[in-house]
Amino acid sequence: GAVVSQHPSWVICKSGTSVKIECRSLDFQATTMFWYRQFPKQSLMLMATSNEGSKATYEQGVEKDKFLINHASLTLSTLTVTSAHPEDSSFYICSARPGDGYTFGSGTRLTVV
Amino acid sequence: GQNIDQPTEMTATEGAIVQINCTYQTSGFNGLFWYQQHAGEAPTFLSYNVLDGLEEKGRFSSFLSRSKGYSYLLLKELQMKDSASYLCAVSPLVAGNTPLVFGKGTRLSVIA
Repeated sequence: GAVVSQHPSWVICKSGTSVKIECRSLDFQATTMFWYRQFPKQSLMLMATSNEGSKATYEQGVEKDKFLINHASLTLSTLTVTSAHPEDSSFYICSARPGDGYTFGSGTRLTVV
Repeated sequence: GQNIDQPTEMTATEGAIVQINCTYQTSGFNGLFWYQQHAGEAPTFLSYNVLDGLEEKGRFSSFLSRSKGYSYLLLKELQMKDSASYLCAVSPLVAGNTPLVFGKGTRLSVIA
């Protein structure tokens, strides 16, 4: 089946630094990638939709300058959390839609200290 | 707007049956999904309903009524490992660039 590989699985970074999260579609071409954020005991909240070769679409309230999304190829989408702060600590997960269904990456646990 | 409602928490006994309800109001409808999610892990696909009726898959069944904007997930013969969050999600449109809209999730605790 369609697989999305997400790395890293977890990362700890210092406040003020940047962190890049990668999602690769391994056996299909993902023209669109959805990026979600999930705080403890809450559901998945859509942050943005990345489209190959064009600008990402951000949800209301999500800072595009802080959460940089790049979708340079049909198999790779990246999310960079710039100047991370403790409140950015969360579970970030990507998702693609290879057909009627949706496939998810394994998620990245970001902890900013 | 998009609105998906499901209970926040439920508790059930090992070996019993539990039904998790979900109601939705979305701008369009191209299917309803149920996912299981353990803390710190990615959601795991459980079921997909696009037509009215019951879909059965082992211990799990899911029901959909499009006219009522209602679905439920039925878990039978509960096991301790079924303790998890259960997410109801709707795909509003057929287009491939349409993300899933998630409910807030139901945290199920299975007790002995």
